[in-house]
Amino acid sequence: KQEVTQIPAALSVPEGENLVLNCSFTDSAIYNLQWFRQDPGKGLTSLLLIQSSQREQTSGRLNASLDKSSGRSTLYIAASQPGDSATYLCAVKPGGTSYGKLTFGQGTILTVHP
Amino acid sequence: ETGVTQTPRHLVMGMTNKKSLKCEQHLGHNAMYWYKQSAKKPLELMFVYSLEERVENNSVPSRFSPECPNSSHLFLHLHTLQPEDSALYLCASSQGTGGIYEQYFGPGTRLTVT
Repeated sequence: KQEVTQIPAALSVPEGENLVLNCSFTDSAIYNLQWFRQDPGKGLTSLLLIQSSQREQTSGRLNASLDKSSGRSTLYIAASQPGDSATYLCAVKPGGTSYGKLTFGQGTILTVHP
Repeated sequence: ETGVTQTPRHLVMGMTNKKSLKCEQHLGHNAMYWYKQSAKKPLELMFVYSLEERVENNSVPSRFSPECPNSSHLFLHLHTLQPEDSALYLCASSQGTGGIYEQYFGPGTRLTVT
């Protein structure tokens, strides 16, 4: 059974810092990995999706890397801002006939102080 | 706005009540999903519908009954729930259930069972 773990569970940083969120998964037979952002009381917003054949994806100040063989992904946020405060979720989609089944980690709660 | 709407946003119900959650997607997608997000637990997939046919039931108790009358609407009918069913229920949609398709999430319904 696929398990996804995110470290740290919570992170508090001053504005302007570069930071790294970590995600690990137990079964490397994935189709893709996705990073989401969730604001309090709201749904999920997709940030980056990395296919299993890719090593990284970038969007603005965000960069996500994937090392499928070791079961790890990192989300790098450059020059953090208070507006980045949210919960960040990592999810993996298995290969084969999975009917879109995503397995999520518990998330990292990020707080960026002005 | 993600294009996926959910109503109601908040619901309080007693254990003997019957209520329904509604999800609507305006993205022209063919697949829809129900997820449950409990406190201190990862997001869990409950049901998957593809072209209005249920293709995944992730061992969900029968007190949760999904319905997908067309590709744009998804309901979750609730009856005789337990306090441990209190959670955020998220709906999502995607173009298809294959690995390449991203899921887009609604804002969720916060359910409290008293």
